[in-house]
Amino acid sequence: EIVLTQSPGTLSLSPGERATLSCRASQSVSSSYLAWYQKKPGQAPRLLIYDASSRATGIPDRFSGSGSGTDFTLTISRLEPEDFAVYYCQQYASSPPHLYTFGQGTRLEIK
Amino acid sequence: QVQLVESGGGVVQPGKSLRLSCAASGFAFNNYGMHWVRQAPGKGLEWVAVIWYDGSNKFYADSVKGRFTISRDNFKNTLFLQMNSLRAEDTAVYYCASGGSGGYHFNYWGQGTLVTVSS
Repeated sequence: EIVLTQSPGTLSLSPGERATLSCRASQSVSSSYLAWYQKKPGQAPRLLIYDASSRATGIPDRFSGSGSGTDFTLTISRLEPEDFAVYYCQQYASSPPHLYTFGQGTRLEIK
Repeated sequence: QVQLVESGGGVVQPGKSLRLSCAASGFAFNNYGMHWVRQAPGKGLEWVAVIWYDGSNKFYADSVKGRFTISRDNFKNTLFLQMNSLRAEDTAVYYCASGGSGGYHFNYWGQGTLVTVSS
C-alpha cells in the first residue's frame, strides 16, 4: 500500500503570501495518478489538480501542481481569503485493494 | 451543470443496514466510473468503493469489504451503496464522486450525507 504523507500538518499564512504544500509517497507514483483537492467545512471536496500538474476546470491559475516520483507539491501563488481550507493529495494504485489513497491533509489557516 | 445529490443517511444502530443513493445529472453518467468516499468526524478523506461505468467491476476498501455493496442504475442515473453490519467506525459523511478521465481521480462530488452508527 502506498502511503501519502503531507507536510506541514498546519500552515499559517496571510492573504497575499505564497503557500507551498508537500505530499510525499512511500513508493514512486506515476504523475498521472496524483491529484489535489480542497476541502472546506460543510462543503464537498473540490478537485484542484490532476495528473500532478493539470488544473481542473474553473480552478484559478494561482493554483499549480508539480513533482514526480515520490515528491509532489501544491503551490498557491498569492493566497486569497477563500483559499484557507484543508488540502488533500490523492493517488491511484493500479493494483487492488488499496486503489485510491489520500494523504492526511494540510490545514491552511489565516495567520 | 453536474449535480450529484446523496440521500439515505441517518442514525442507525450497530449491526443494522442502510442504503445510500446518489442521483446524478448534467453529465453522461453511464460513461464514468463512480465512487463513494467518506469522512469521519474530525478525520481525513477515505475512499470506500468504486464501480466501473458499466457495473462490470467493483472494488472496495479493506475496511468495508464484505459488508458494503456498490451498485448503479444507468437508466435512472443513480448510484447506490448498501451498507450492512454497520459499526461505530462507519460513522461519517458519505460522498459520491464521479471518476475523472482515466479513472485516476475524483472529478465531481456531491454534498454528502451523514451516517451515524450509534446505539
